[in-house]
Amino acid sequence: QKEVEQDPGPLSVPEGAIVSLNCTYSNSAFQYFMWYRQYSRKGPELLMYTYSSGNKEDGRFTAQVDKSSKYISLFIRDSQPSDSATYLCAMSAVTDKLIFGTGTRLQVFP
Amino acid sequence: GAGVSQSPRYKVAKRGQDVALRCDPISGHVSLFWYQQALGQGPEFLTYFQNEAQLDKSGLPSDRFFAERPEGSVSTLKIQRTQQEDSAVYLCASSLAGSNVLTFGAGSRLTVL
Repeated sequence: QKEVEQDPGPLSVPEGAIVSLNCTYSNSAFQYFMWYRQYSRKGPELLMYTYSSGNKEDGRFTAQVDKSSKYISLFIRDSQPSDSATYLCAMSAVTDKLIFGTGTRLQVFP
Repeated sequence: GAGVSQSPRYKVAKRGQDVALRCDPISGHVSLFWYQQALGQGPEFLTYFQNEAQLDKSGLPSDRFFAERPEGSVSTLKIQRTQQEDSAVYLCASSLAGSNVLTFGAGSRLTVL
């Protein structure tokens, strides 16, 4: 079993929909939780960064961490076609090596 | 530079050939990471440098894989006697000292025939 599990999708939604992306993990030592967005043939780029449990909001994006359930989520409101990409969750126990999920491919159609 | 630069962007190798992939991190970034991303998968950790010191190479899949960063800046990932299963995108990332906020390059896509 992988340390970080993520549904690979693909997820296809209409423009304007609310999107929910999720990851579960098994290592209780993880303290830092991130979401990266990766467009086709590009490197991952950091979208959201959270330390420990709680919520963080940035524009149309909200990240949630529930350490008691070992579950993290990313919500995208008013989704746009430009949000079409692969979303990778990532986490670490110490401030260096990140462990990634497999990524969820999202397609937002007009 | 403004971002992490990787070269070549695409490399086709015949099975058994040696390849070298180069990473030029953001200026001033002390930490440098190599990840391997197979098709449809998330990045998998290979190795980590702090300056010129290779502090973690636990993710290197075999002794055919070797990484170096001799002057604490540019890094090279070398794969000897390439195999088909080595086909993947090799991502380089850098960060400031003590930070786990990684900035990734666009990757080097290796195809082994």
